[in-house]
Amino acid sequence: KAGVTQTPRYLIKTRGQQVTLSCSPISGHRSVSWYQQTPGQGLQFLFEYFSETQRNKGNFPGRFSGRQFSNSRSEMNVSTLELGDSALYLCASSALAEPSTDTQYFGPGTRLTVL
Amino acid sequence: AQKITQTQPGMFVQEKEAVTLDCTYDTSDPSYGLFWYKQPSSGEMIFLIYQGSYDQQNATEGRYSLNFQKARKSANLVISASQLGDSAMYFCAMRANTGNQFYFGTGTSLTVIP
Repeated sequence: KAGVTQTPRYLIKTRGQQVTLSCSPISGHRSVSWYQQTPGQGLQFLFEYFSETQRNKGNFPGRFSGRQFSNSRSEMNVSTLELGDSALYLCASSALAEPSTDTQYFGPGTRLTVL
Repeated sequence: AQKITQTQPGMFVQEKEAVTLDCTYDTSDPSYGLFWYKQPSSGEMIFLIYQGSYDQQNATEGRYSLNFQKARKSANLVISASQLGDSAMYFCAMRANTGNQFYFGTGTSLTVIP
């Protein structure tokens, strides 16, 4: 079974631009979560989608948005990029049969650099 | 509120020795899951081991075992016979059955010394 894939793997943007990152979950997984990881803030939860609906949301400004398609693939968008948005963005998928037993499997991440 | 605490920013272990990485958690939900992930320098988070709150026995997966002490709210990861490839960041995580997000600790950087 193929793992979680994320595209692109590396991205360089300038301040003020917008960016869209893509995540394809493991086949059969209907939940996709996004995380931002920086050296200063660690791993921070952005949002979780399940069956095309946002299920949970972290404490990020409205510039960060996401969506999930009917095939469970997900995209996240960051508008008006700031220098502080430079980070590793990780996507994770899970079956979400029951939250307390729900193992998330991560993709390789997209490393975004904002200049 | 749910919280995960990892108090060891960095750890060193001699190759072939065992090492314990500490994790404590806090939740009021009686049903929850505890997870450990490994993150090598490449960046990908690799799932290692899972422990359910109702599991009677400690989880084991190869050289990884989870020392689960429910009353103390601790879920320490034990790596036996350390290998150079074990050098990485290790994250403890929790998810309660109330269905909220995964909560991750701040991680422990493990370095295996030859």
